[in-house]
Amino acid sequence: DAGITQSPRYKITETGRQVTLMCHQTWSHSYMFWYRQDLGHGLRLIYYSAAADITDKGEVPDGYVVSRSKTENFPLTLESATRSQTSVYFCASSARLGEQYFGPGTRLTVT
Amino acid sequence: ILNVEQSPQSLHVQEGDSTNFTCSFPSSNFYALHWYRWETAKSPEALFVMTLNGDEKKKGRISATLNTKEGYSYLYIKGSQPEDSATYLCASPDSNYQLIWGAGTKLIIKP
Repeated sequence: DAGITQSPRYKITETGRQVTLMCHQTWSHSYMFWYRQDLGHGLRLIYYSAAADITDKGEVPDGYVVSRSKTENFPLTLESATRSQTSVYFCASSARLGEQYFGPGTRLTVT
Repeated sequence: ILNVEQSPQSLHVQEGDSTNFTCSFPSSNFYALHWYRWETAKSPEALFVMTLNGDEKKKGRISATLNTKEGYSYLYIKGSQPEDSATYLCASPDSNYQLIWGAGTKLIIKP
């Protein structure tokens, strides 16, 4: 199906475990983004990518790793999950300065 | 550091009434201004992207204006309906083309 998808939609993990959140888009948008949504903070940018093999840190990158080997995929990895990383994670894509299209979100709970 | 501010933080409006709210941004080094609607338990959806001073855009009962010289944009909703209840976000790209997000205006339509 065309669009932007995220998986899993819900994830519960334990402190210290590695978790990877997947994001896939079918529009061939050059830009992709990872945000987290927390009460009182709105949307905060974790990492973004301007093209395959190009990634840059956003506002809150610590504890996260991203890669972009293919244009359509932009996985986000929490190398050693902490409780403070409990959040809703949104992936988005756009054509440069155009509007961003958001995935459905992944609700992650770290126990 | 680019700072995007929205007011009010929340707004209760009677069904059928019209309303508007504000997004403020630095007028220097302006690239674009985005408006998004974010319904509870869903993903943000783009409403408008505006780039030129004096731009006016309309989608159904929702419209937006842009003043880049003084650094503000207004979002108007005419004849509010219950389905308009959402958080409305504005955002503007910084010099790295990262969107800097406002904290949003939460709109609640009272039947």
